[in-house]
Amino acid sequence: DQQVKQNSPSLSVQEGRISILNCDYTNSMFDYFLWYKKYPAEGPTFLISISSIKDKNEDGRFTVFLNKSAKHLSLHIVPSQPGDSAVYFCAASGASGTYKYIFGTGTRLKVLA
Amino acid sequence: SAVISQKPSRDICQRGTSLTIQCQVDSQVTMMFWYRQQPGQSLTLIATANQGSEATYESGFVIDKFPISRPNLTFSTLTVSNMSPEDSSIYLCSVSGQGSYEQYFGPGTRLTVT
Repeated sequence: DQQVKQNSPSLSVQEGRISILNCDYTNSMFDYFLWYKKYPAEGPTFLISISSIKDKNEDGRFTVFLNKSAKHLSLHIVPSQPGDSAVYFCAASGASGTYKYIFGTGTRLKVLA
Repeated sequence: SAVISQKPSRDICQRGTSLTIQCQVDSQVTMMFWYRQQPGQSLTLIATANQGSEATYESGFVIDKFPISRPNLTFSTLTVSNMSPEDSSIYLCSVSGQGSYEQYFGPGTRLTVT
């Protein structure tokens, strides 16, 4: 039972355009969400977070949107750069304890120069 | 964010042996965690490493197979015991500060069991 799903295993975007990565969850008790970026042979790097009391959080080129009624969040990267090419994971917490995160399966983003 | 290192970065081990992975943080942290990422899969939480007491394991993970130590606020070890090829994974430690929801990951240990 995958509680956090990233239905697109891969995504290709032209440099300078917007990248939109999606994440769906099933547990309405989740109340905090994180996005990570992972390069090969490295650990995940924290990008941005959002609490369920907000519907948007922005940090530079990265914006996360949360739609609680749809149990959906998305990460927007504008403008996309070749260095953004990586695997992106969303993670959700809150159902069973503040610090226990359930991760999605990841989306591999490729930004084309 | 804290600087997190792991040793070894990778290893190839024989079936039936054990490997201990170390995680070192450059500052004191409240919470330390161990995750596993099997090939083509997502990250799965193995356990929370508790300073001075037994680790808290997630469903499907047991202390006999994955003993964990955390002697202080900057260091933890995970042992993968009696390994089988199914244990081939990337093992990652992560940390979180007091009152913080964000977790920061180490570089990972890539384990291959033959």
